[in-house]
Amino acid sequence: QKEVEQDPGPLSVPEGAIVSLNCTYSNSAFQYFMWYRQYSRKGPELLMYTYSSGNKEDGRFTAQVDKSSKYISLFIRDSQPSDSATYLCAMTEYGNNRLAFGKGNQVVVIP
Amino acid sequence: DSGVTQTPKHLITATGQRVTLRCSPRSGDLSVYWYQQSLDQGLQFLIHYYNGEERAKGNILERFSAQQFPDLHSELNLSSLELGDSALYFCASSVGTVRDEQFFGPGTRLTVL
Repeated sequence: QKEVEQDPGPLSVPEGAIVSLNCTYSNSAFQYFMWYRQYSRKGPELLMYTYSSGNKEDGRFTAQVDKSSKYISLFIRDSQPSDSATYLCAMTEYGNNRLAFGKGNQVVVIP
Repeated sequence: DSGVTQTPKHLITATGQRVTLRCSPRSGDLSVYWYQQSLDQGLQFLIHYYNGEERAKGNILERFSAQQFPDLHSELNLSSLELGDSALYFCASSVGTVRDEQFFGPGTRLTVL
């Protein structure tokens, strides 16, 4: 079983829709949870960072963490064509900077 | 632009060869990380250096090695290359070692023929 599972299926949504992405993990030691966005032919860039269970909002983006279920989510409201990218979840243990990534979801927002 | 630079952008080589990938971290960052991204495995951590010292190793093959130099730039050496080594190799840097955001470079695309 991989440490981090992210169903890598592509996702196409119309502009303005809500995008919902999620990851599950098996390592109870993971304490810090991130979402990275990767545009084609670019390196990943940090989108959201959280370390506690619950919700964190940043503009149109909401990251949700449920440590008891080992489940994290990212929601994108009012999606825009510029949100078209691959979204990767990542997590790490306390005191350890090794990022463990999910395989990523390619999101296409259709105008 | 993250401030992390990687060279070369693309590398095409043959099986059995050796290549060196180079990374310059953001100004002021002491940590450098190397990751490999392939279609089947996704983004995988290879190795972490902090201020010239190796701090952590991931699933890095014995044919691969890395180092961080006194000027903090890092090199990833890949030898006895196999077809399966074809991938994107990313370098990331951060200020320190714990909970700092990692900034990723644009990557080096390696194709082994």
